[in-house]
Amino acid sequence: DARVTQTPRHKVTEMGQEVTMRCQPILGHNTVFWYRQTMMQGLELLAYFRNRAPLDDSGMPKDRFSAEMPDATLATLKIQPSEPRDSAVYFCASGLQGQGANYGYTFGSGTRLTVV
Amino acid sequence: AQRVTQPEKLLSVFKGAPVELKCNYSYSGSPELFWYVQYSRQRLQLLLRHISRESIKGFTADLNKGETSFHLKKPFAQEEDSAMYYCALRAGGTSYGKLTFGQGTILTVHP
Repeated sequence: DARVTQTPRHKVTEMGQEVTMRCQPILGHNTVFWYRQTMMQGLELLAYFRNRAPLDDSGMPKDRFSAEMPDATLATLKIQPSEPRDSAVYFCASGLQGQGANYGYTFGSGTRLTVV
Repeated sequence: AQRVTQPEKLLSVFKGAPVELKCNYSYSGSPELFWYVQYSRQRLQLLLRHISRESIKGFTADLNKGETSFHLKKPFAQEEDSAMYYCALRAGGTSYGKLTFGQGTILTVHP
């Protein structure tokens, strides 16, 4: 089974520190999403990319969050500086859109971030 | 704008009882709807898609455009069905591919 790989699985950091989360989408997938999961808000879309170009990052706090795809095999989500309210599980998902493809997306295992 | 609403945060049933997880959506275009399941602290997994009209693990869901609903049903719940269930809508048009989730419903099936 092809998988979306996220690293690290867990991260504990102090407030003010930079956090970088990485995602390796499934080879050949052209769409990548970043979601944040909390008990209060559920799954919030932070950003998504198609063919490495950002399509929508309106759900992302711009002052501290940034998302990039330096190449087709890597997506990154960075928080600088981190705050306790950023504590959540961050999921990456990838899928194939276009050319008649009509599938659901595949999710990674998530990065559980704790900011103390 | 697209919106997905799951009115029940928690749902408890006994093993063998029917279960229905509600999902309503708001979207001006032609929607693509999905159900995802998340077992305890694991990744989200696609359960089923409306376009496939499939039954997975005994679950079915029918898209009702008149009522803008996509409720998930199973006639006889099992303990292993206990999980978080998310309804999701995929947009078309200029937001093509954007996947929006409901708040999720935690299903607990008691023995």
